[in-house]
Amino acid sequence: GAGVSQSPSNKVTEKGKDVELRCDPISGHTALYWYRQSLGQGLEFLIYFQGNSAPDKSGLPSDRFSAERTGGSVSTLTIQRTQQEDSAVYLCASSYGARELFFGEGSRLTVL
Amino acid sequence: AQTVTQSQPEMSVQEAETVTLSCTYDTSENNYYLFWYKQPPSRQMILVIRQEAYKQQNATENRFSVNFQKAAKSFSLKISDSQLGDTAMYFCAFMKSHSGGSNYKLTFGKGTLLTVNP
Repeated sequence: GAGVSQSPSNKVTEKGKDVELRCDPISGHTALYWYRQSLGQGLEFLIYFQGNSAPDKSGLPSDRFSAERTGGSVSTLTIQRTQQEDSAVYLCASSYGARELFFGEGSRLTVL
Repeated sequence: AQTVTQSQPEMSVQEAETVTLSCTYDTSENNYYLFWYKQPPSRQMILVIRQEAYKQQNATENRFSVNFQKAAKSFSLKISDSQLGDTAMYFCAFMKSHSGGSNYKLTFGKGTLLTVNP
């Protein structure tokens, strides 16, 4: 596709369940980012992938959060044993070098 | 660590008027990039304008321009002839430039909610 694609658009889950959020970046973009946006808050950096380099995981809030990027393309953000405080919009973005980040429309996660 | 501060949580402006959104940042880096992103109610983040720190000339994109003061670490966004479609959350963002490296993590401010009134 022409843009960054994220799925699901909305996810409602019960506390304690695991969830997977998917991001399909723009073809050819070497960098992929995950951010979290909570109600009324800015964008919280989670993790960053750049080519074949080791990912920058410095923003992951706990060991319940993990992400992988397969084949330098699609990325999956996994949240295990979800908690209510994990409710947020999870935004994925991709870029080529130090240029504009192109964002997806986000995945809204609601943990009941 | 870099920080980005947007001191105006909310602002409003009348249609056709001019408004300026403030942004300051803290860094020890000399080379970096600054961005303004717009997030309308649809949630899609859109780049408004980009500035390289090594360029003295302020970036301009149609009705959008910046006032980049490197010494003061200030990067304000001016919107001229405001339109109803400019209503959105505006985020200021900072990206380090790593010479020889490839870590281009983007740090965002908390945003300014701009409402354009008819």
